[in-house]
Amino acid sequence: LAKTTQPISMDSYEGQEVNITCSHNNIATNDYITWYQQFPSQGPRFIIQGYKTKVTNEVASLFIPADRKSSTLSLPRVSLSDTAVYYCLVMIYNQGGKLIFGQGTELSVKP
Amino acid sequence: DADVTQTPRNRITKTGKRIMLECSQTKGHDRMYWYRQDPGLGLRLIYYSFDVKDINKGEISDGYSVSRQAQAKFSLSLESAIPNQTALYFCATSDGLGGTGELFFGEGSRLTVL
Repeated sequence: LAKTTQPISMDSYEGQEVNITCSHNNIATNDYITWYQQFPSQGPRFIIQGYKTKVTNEVASLFIPADRKSSTLSLPRVSLSDTAVYYCLVMIYNQGGKLIFGQGTELSVKP
Repeated sequence: DADVTQTPRNRITKTGKRIMLECSQTKGHDRMYWYRQDPGLGLRLIYYSFDVKDINKGEISDGYSVSRQAQAKFSLSLESAIPNQTALYFCATSDGLGGTGELFFGEGSRLTVL
């Protein structure tokens, strides 16, 4: 299984850019990388997904190097409302897309 | 109305009791999942189903069973609840590999086993 490793927690201040890196050394050729955000007592919410290079949407950017053994979620100019847990997942293609969550990164944004 | 609905939202039960958590979805997705969340452990996959006739064990299926009654319904059962099954349980759906594989979660069912 392509397990993921991410920092347990991070602190930031409003207006800063936050980068959260995830390692997935055993990622397979057809696997995708997906990031979710979770607020307390709510289900996780999809943020972004990518396969290689860079993906950007209205919320975040995802950077994936050529070897795909890691990925970095970039949140531009965070606000207090970005305080949440962020999960990096690998969608395991050869198991029909089974999605395994790691421990996640607890991001705390301070004023 | 929520696309993925879980019932009950909160349940307190006693050790040894049978408990069922139900999940229904209106998204028309074939794939449904049950996860449990414990503080500091993220979400762990219990069971998943890719269609009505397909049931698969996840990471931590011991002590749990599931039933996929229809495309829209996926139930999780604890035949004999024990205190270490106290957790927040989430149901999720996805449209499979043809789309992004994005998971859509319910609001969670908080279970306490005394």
